[in-house]
Amino acid sequence: GEDVEQSLFLSVREGDSSVINCTYTDSSSTYLYWYKQEPGAGLQLLTYIFSNMDMKQDQRLTVLLNKKDKHLSLRIADTQTGDSAIYFCAEGASNKFYFGSGTKLNVKP
Amino acid sequence: DAGVIQSPRHEVTEMGQEVTLRCKPISGHNSLFWYRQTMMRGLELLIYFNNNVPIDDSGMPEDRFSAKMPNASFSTLKIQPSEPRDSAVYFCASLGSGELFFGEGSRLTVL
Repeated sequence: GEDVEQSLFLSVREGDSSVINCTYTDSSSTYLYWYKQEPGAGLQLLTYIFSNMDMKQDQRLTVLLNKKDKHLSLRIADTQTGDSAIYFCAEGASNKFYFGSGTKLNVKP
Repeated sequence: DAGVIQSPRHEVTEMGQEVTLRCKPISGHNSLFWYRQTMMRGLELLIYFNNNVPIDDSGMPEDRFSAKMPNASFSTLKIQPSEPRDSAVYFCASLGSGELFFGEGSRLTVL
C-alpha cells in the first residue's frame, strides 16, 4: 500500500482538459482521494471515490477508477489558471493513508 | 467548523533548540495524523493517534521527535534538539467519515 505513483509535471493551456494519472498497489484500499495543494498552503481535499465505484463526477472534476489495473485518474474540464497547483493522489484503508509524490499542474494562459 | 488549526504557521530556530508544534483537530474526529513534507521526500507520515492513543509511530525519524495527544482537541509534536535537516513543513490532519482534513501546516526552518 505504500507505492502510489504519479507523474511529476503536467502542462496544459487554459480551457483545455487536464488528466492527472495515478497508480496504487493496495487492492484493499477503501477510499482513493485527490488533494490539491497551492503554494504555501495545506492539502485541500478535492474529491474521493469509494473503491467499489468506477466513476465520480463533481462539477468540473471527473474521477475514474480502474480497479483491475489499480489506476486512478482525475480529469479537470475547462482548466483555469486557478487550477495551477500540485495534485496528490492518495489511497486509504484502516487509518493508513499513502500519498503519491504529487503532480504539478501548470496552466498556461 | 474552523478546520484543523495548527500553530505556529512559521518558525525559525537555531540548531539545538527545542521546537513544539501544535494542532487542534476538527471536533468529533477521532484520528489525528502528523505528516512532514519536504521537496526530497514528499509527504511522510510521522505518527497517528486514534482516540488519543498513539497507534503507529514507525514514521518518527528518531528519538529527537516525540508526539502527544493529551485530549481529543489537542496534540503536540516536539523536536528536541532540532537539527537543520528537520527543516520542513509539518502538517496535522484529522479523520472524519473517511475524509482526511489537513491543517495549513507549520513551516519550520532550523538554522
